[in-house]
Amino acid sequence: AQSVTQLDSQVPVFEEAPVELRCNYSSSVSVYLFWYVQYPNQGLQLLLKYLSGSTLVKGINGFEAEFNKSQTSFHLRKPSVHISDTAEYFCAVKGAGSYQLTFGKGTKLSVIP
Amino acid sequence: GAVVSQHPSWVICKSGTSVKIECRSLDFQATTMFWYRQFPKKSLMLMATSNEGSKATYEQGVEKDKFLINHASLTLSTLTVTSAHPEDSSFYICSARESSGGGNEQFFGPGTRLTVL
Repeated sequence: AQSVTQLDSQVPVFEEAPVELRCNYSSSVSVYLFWYVQYPNQGLQLLLKYLSGSTLVKGINGFEAEFNKSQTSFHLRKPSVHISDTAEYFCAVKGAGSYQLTFGKGTKLSVIP
Repeated sequence: GAVVSQHPSWVICKSGTSVKIECRSLDFQATTMFWYRQFPKKSLMLMATSNEGSKATYEQGVEKDKFLINHASLTLSTLTVTSAHPEDSSFYICSARESSGGGNEQFFGPGTRLTVL
C-alpha cells in the first residue's frame, strides 16, 4: 500500500515569487508520482508525472518537480508564480503493478497580488 | 487527446430519487475507469474501480447497493446514486485509464456536483 503526505494545507505566496509545494510518500514497491491541479468546481488536470528516467520532471505552466528516492519526496516548484496559479494542488502516487492512485490531502496555493 | 467527459456537470435532486452520472472517454478506449468522491476542501476518495464487462470493485465502506456502477463499453461508465439523501451531496469525479500504452496515467473528467435536497 502507498500513502502520500502533503505537509502544507495552505500556501500563500506573493505574485512573481517562487513557490515549493511539498510531497512525501511511502511505499513498499517502486512508484510512479504525479502532481495534479484543480481549479474551483473543476476536475483534475495533470501538471507533471515521474515514471522513470531523469529525476527532474518539467510540466505545464512552468512547474517542475524533483523525485528524490532517498528522501521519498516529490516536491513541486515554480520559480515565479502568477495569479492564475491560485488553485488546489494534489500529489498522487501509484505503485508499480497497481492501477490505483493514492492522493494526498491537497495544498491550496493562494497567489497574492 | 485523452479527454474524459462527465454528464451532467451538476444536478440537484430531491431526497429519495436516483441520479445517474455518465463518464465517457472521448478519444480513447478505457478498460478501467475509476469513481472518486470529493468532499468540500478534502482530497479525492476512491469509491470504486470499474472494469469493462465485469463487476466493479468497491472500496471498503462504500455501499455497492447505493452506488451502482456499470461499465458496459470501453468508452462509458455510469454511476447511479440510488435513493439519494442529503449526505450524498458531493463532487463526484471519474477517471479513465487508457487500455493501451502501459496505462500509468489516469485522465480525469471535469466532475459532477450533486446536491440532494
